[in-house]
Amino acid sequence: EAQVTQNPRYLITVTGKKLTVTCSQNMNHEYMSWYRQDPGLGLRQIYYSMNVEVTDKGDVPEGYKVSRKEKRNFPLILESPSPNQTSLYFCASSLTTDTEAFFGQGTRLTVV
Amino acid sequence: AQKITQTQPGMFVQEKEAVTLDCTYDTSDQSYGLFWYKQPSSGEMIFLIYQGSYDEQNATEGRYSLNFQKARKSANLVISASQLGDSAMYFCAMREGLGGSYIPTFGRGTSLIVHP
Repeated sequence: EAQVTQNPRYLITVTGKKLTVTCSQNMNHEYMSWYRQDPGLGLRQIYYSMNVEVTDKGDVPEGYKVSRKEKRNFPLILESPSPNQTSLYFCASSLTTDTEAFFGQGTRLTVV
Repeated sequence: AQKITQTQPGMFVQEKEAVTLDCTYDTSDQSYGLFWYKQPSSGEMIFLIYQGSYDEQNATEGRYSLNFQKARKSANLVISASQLGDSAMYFCAMREGLGGSYIPTFGRGTSLIVHP
C-alpha cells in the first residue's frame, strides 16, 4: 500500500530535549516536505526536499533541521524544542510538483 | 501578504445542496498549480483536485469541481450534492513556479458543516 509513515503519532517532551520525528515513504517520490499546522494558520512549510541531499527552507524553518540521506526518508529534527513548537506536524511526499501530495498521519507534538 | 486567501472561516450547507468554497491567490508566476485538500476531524489530509495554470478547462473530480478564473486569480471549489461526510476543513494550496518553493503553500482553511 502506498503510504507516508510518520512516527511517533503523539509526543510530549520537555523544553530543550532533542527529538526526531521520522518520515518514510514507499512510493519512490522525489519531493518530500514538512509542514506544521496550527489553529487558524493552516499548514505552513518548514522544510522541503526535491531529492537526496537537496533540501530548502520553507516559511518557518527556525528551530528545525532536516536531512535527506536516502530517497525514502526525511526526518525532522528539533535540536532544542521550545513550547512555541507545540503543533501538529505533517510530512508529505509527491512524485512531481504538480501531482497530489501524500500526507502522513500527522505527529502531535507538545513541548512543556 | 498571504499567497492564498480563504475568506470564509466557516460555511454551512444543507445536505444535497451545492456549496462553493472561495480561494484567491497571489503570484506573479506564469506557471503554477492549484490544489484543494480536505481534512476531516480524524486529521488526515486528503487530496481532492488539481488545476494547472495553463489548463484551459476547469478541473473536475466526481462531485468536486474547481472554478478557475485566472484573470481574477480565483480558484473556488464547488462541491455538488453535499453529503454529511463532506463536513471537514478544506484547504486551498498553490505551488508556484520559479518564483517560489516547489511545494504547495496552503491557505488557512474553511470549515464546512453539512446539515441533514
